[in-house]
Amino acid sequence: GDSVTQTEGPVTVSESESLIINCTYSATSIAYPNLFWYVRYPGEGLQLLLKVITAGQKGSSRGFEATYNKETTSFHLQKASVQESDSAVYYCALGDTGYQNFYFGKGTSLTVIP
Amino acid sequence: EAAVTQSPRSKVAVTGGKVTLSCHQTNNHDYMYWYRQDTGHGLRLIHYSYVADSTEKGDIPDGYKASRPSQENFSLILELASLSQTAVYFCASSDAGRDQDTQYFGPGTRLLVL
Repeated sequence: GDSVTQTEGPVTVSESESLIINCTYSATSIAYPNLFWYVRYPGEGLQLLLKVITAGQKGSSRGFEATYNKETTSFHLQKASVQESDSAVYYCALGDTGYQNFYFGKGTSLTVIP
Repeated sequence: EAAVTQSPRSKVAVTGGKVTLSCHQTNNHDYMYWYRQDTGHGLRLIHYSYVADSTEKGDIPDGYKASRPSQENFSLILELASLSQTAVYFCASSDAGRDQDTQYFGPGTRLLVL
């Protein structure tokens, strides 16, 4: 089936350290999957962090980046130096142009210690 | 200001009672969605709508009804609330155009059924 698996949280990192949150996907019914990272800050709704719709491409936003790897079916989120303001829950998601086919991972809670 | 709002933000309901969750968007989007998230799980799609006065079943529609009386408003109705429906509920909207797979979320409603 179609699904997303991401790093189990919670994850705690010190400020200025690097971060990687793993995401792998299975897209058996979606011919051309699009991949997303959403972020939810405390008290707010999920908001799009970055999106990549073409295999082999990299998306980036706010210092975060993720590469769509079709061979390894992965879309890991990375940041070279995290800040306390990056503390949030991060969701990897899989979708296609059909709006009803959208799959979220469980979310990874990140806490950045100053 | 927030483009997708939800009310109430939290609610305590009794088993067997009726619960209505409301969502309002000012994005001028055609598509709207209701998801639920349980602890340790990703978001799962309950109902969605791509036009006013029409709703569609998502992946887990049992026990829920939806209503889309206008483009801006989308409600989720639990006619007979059950303990298993305790969760956080998210509403989202998306455009009908090429960017339809980018969803904009509300802050969530935390529902506790006792």
